[in-house]
Amino acid sequence: DAGVIQSPRHEVTEMGQEVTLRCKPISGHDYLFWYRQTMMRGLELLIYFNNNVPIDDSGMPEDRFSAKMPNASFSNLKIQPSEPRDSAVYFCASSLGGGNYNSPLHFGNGTRLTVT
Amino acid sequence: QKEVEQDPGPLSVPEGAIVSLNCTYSNSAFQYFMWYRQYSRKGPELLMYTYSSGNKEDGRFTAQVDKSSKYISLFIRDSQPSDSATYLCAMSAPAGGFKTIFGAGTRLFVKA
Repeated sequence: DAGVIQSPRHEVTEMGQEVTLRCKPISGHDYLFWYRQTMMRGLELLIYFNNNVPIDDSGMPEDRFSAKMPNASFSNLKIQPSEPRDSAVYFCASSLGGGNYNSPLHFGNGTRLTVT
Repeated sequence: QKEVEQDPGPLSVPEGAIVSLNCTYSNSAFQYFMWYRQYSRKGPELLMYTYSSGNKEDGRFTAQVDKSSKYISLFIRDSQPSDSATYLCAMSAPAGGFKTIFGAGTRLFVKA
């Protein structure tokens, strides 16, 4: 089991550019979560999917952020246009059954985004 | 006010010390309480979990939940340099739509 795979590991871009972050969940997991981590705000839930369907996107900060899950093996998070305040580490996590203690979240190693 | 409050530290202790990490929360609906450990430049990993109130022990780690005070703790006995990491408390509610809410994380340094 390769775990949750995120790409790229690092992304440096200029303000105004489009950014795409990618995630491959653990095979068989039916929930996928996107989190953002900053020193100021900690780990914030942006959006999560169940069986490829977005369930709750109330954490998505602005319309500039969008996420899709076209199939069970792939999800992406897009920011268009990007702004310096979007700089953070973005984590993808997957779980079997939802993420409570009985079905914990399995995190990828994150994408460190820097917007200049 | 955040739903989950956690002192970010850093906390620095000598090897062998007992470490106490704590979180408070405001949502009385939380029933599942977890501790995740995050090493530098890695994703968080589940370390301990408890359901509702009570204690749970696993080796050198003990998790406690006091729902009446809305307070949870993680104790690490005989701390080791390899325990140096960020510890995040996390919690969710049965009716919470599977939203796991995390604390800010406490950075722990264990000095050899």
